[in-house]
Amino acid sequence: DTGVSQDPRHKITKRGQNVTFRCDPISEHNRLYWYRQTLGQGPEFLTYFQNEAQLEKSRLLSDRFSAERPKGSFSTLEIQRTEQGDSAMYLCASSLAGGQGDYGYTFGSGTRLTVV
Amino acid sequence: AQTVTQSQPEMSVQEAETVTLSCTYDTSESNYYLFWYKQPPSRQMILVIRQEAYKQQNATENRFSVNFQKAAKSFSLKISDSQLGDTAMYFCAFSGSNQFYFGTGTSLTVIP
Repeated sequence: DTGVSQDPRHKITKRGQNVTFRCDPISEHNRLYWYRQTLGQGPEFLTYFQNEAQLEKSRLLSDRFSAERPKGSFSTLEIQRTEQGDSAMYLCASSLAGGQGDYGYTFGSGTRLTVV
Repeated sequence: AQTVTQSQPEMSVQEAETVTLSCTYDTSESNYYLFWYKQPPSRQMILVIRQEAYKQQNATENRFSVNFQKAAKSFSLKISDSQLGDTAMYFCAFSGSNQFYFGTGTSLTVIP
């Protein structure tokens, strides 16, 4: 297991199109997170899963965004009817949370989305 | 609500010198974790150091150490013997009940 993988690394799409990103977490990790990061800013929380259950979703996330984590393994993030304001780096992270405490995230390299 | 504040958008340090990055946070939780993450240009974010709030002893990882002041809700990062590879964005992060809260980052440049 070489860490958190994200695909694709870069995506350029026309406004109005749908896009889907994939994240493969570290296999032992039970939590998976999606963040969005714009230039010069810190990561902004979008949503997270514990195993296959989506436990929290940011109020900033519009209805155009949906995420899934079937079977508690990989996750997908879909953006429908993309807008120019969706242009950002989309980061996936995974962690092992539980009785031994919080050990922090392992981040993927991100998917950079450009909406033209 | 939890907030994380990094008041230094940019900093620079001479190679081999020491630099301290500031972070303050606000929370009503009693049990939490604090982290510093490093994000080099165009590269992925990596964990630098982690502090458990219930431990009074400051965490250290080689050249990286923290000054954790729980009462003041302050969590600064000290980098000793700065190296060119330390040039990056540094994010302070708070982990509470369910998610992380990140600061806006400090861009550190190590000058040769």
